[in-house]
Amino acid sequence: QVQLVESGGGVVQPGRSLRLSCAASGFTSSSYGIHWVRQAPGKGLEWVAVIWYDGSNKNYADSVKGRFTMSRDNSKNTLYLQMNSLGVEDTAVYYCARDAGGFSSRWYPDYWGQGTLVTVSS
Amino acid sequence: QSALTQPASVSGSPGQSITISCTGTNSDIGNYNLVSWYQQRPGKAPQLMIYEGSKRPSGVSDRFSGSKSGNTASLTISGLQAEDEAEYYCCSYAGRSTVAFGGGTKLTVL
Repeated sequence: QVQLVESGGGVVQPGRSLRLSCAASGFTSSSYGIHWVRQAPGKGLEWVAVIWYDGSNKNYADSVKGRFTMSRDNSKNTLYLQMNSLGVEDTAVYYCARDAGGFSSRWYPDYWGQGTLVTVSS
Repeated sequence: QSALTQPASVSGSPGQSITISCTGTNSDIGNYNLVSWYQQRPGKAPQLMIYEGSKRPSGVSDRFSGSKSGNTASLTISGLQAEDEAEYYCCSYAGRSTVAFGGGTKLTVL
């Protein structure tokens, strides 16, 4: 079955960096785009970024553009979210989620991981 | 990049029907047939309930239905059950390779 497992969350000081990982299994991950979506405590979902199935294109929400970078290693079925210059406003559960469209993005996630909590605090 | 607008809360009694609205603009909902809806229970990941406006994934009850008119999408749940109590989020492609979510609607089953 499709599984996405995030890791790498934790407590980090403002201004520091953190890298999240998303391990994909149960499907051919190299055929699907992947989204990152975050949810601040007690708040709603916020789309963060997307990467194409082959890593050729990426796009980011304005709130993270220039600070966050998505990448993928299809040989390891793993996606990454490098987060730099973190601020308290980045505190959230971060979910990776598979785009439903495969090679041709459909722009909605169909399967989600369970999330990893990132807390930015001094 | 603006969030889509949803009511903060809705409620209904078991057996009743409720509708949750999701208002966007002609840059997102109004311009694409790519609205999806998610159910999220406390402490859990979101679950896809409706995609491409009105389609249901396998395994989702036919009590859930979706529609769109202009810049507004809607999720209707008929025959409300206690297990439907959750937070519901709409989502739409917003152009230029971006996605927008609604702020979420808390459904209470009375």
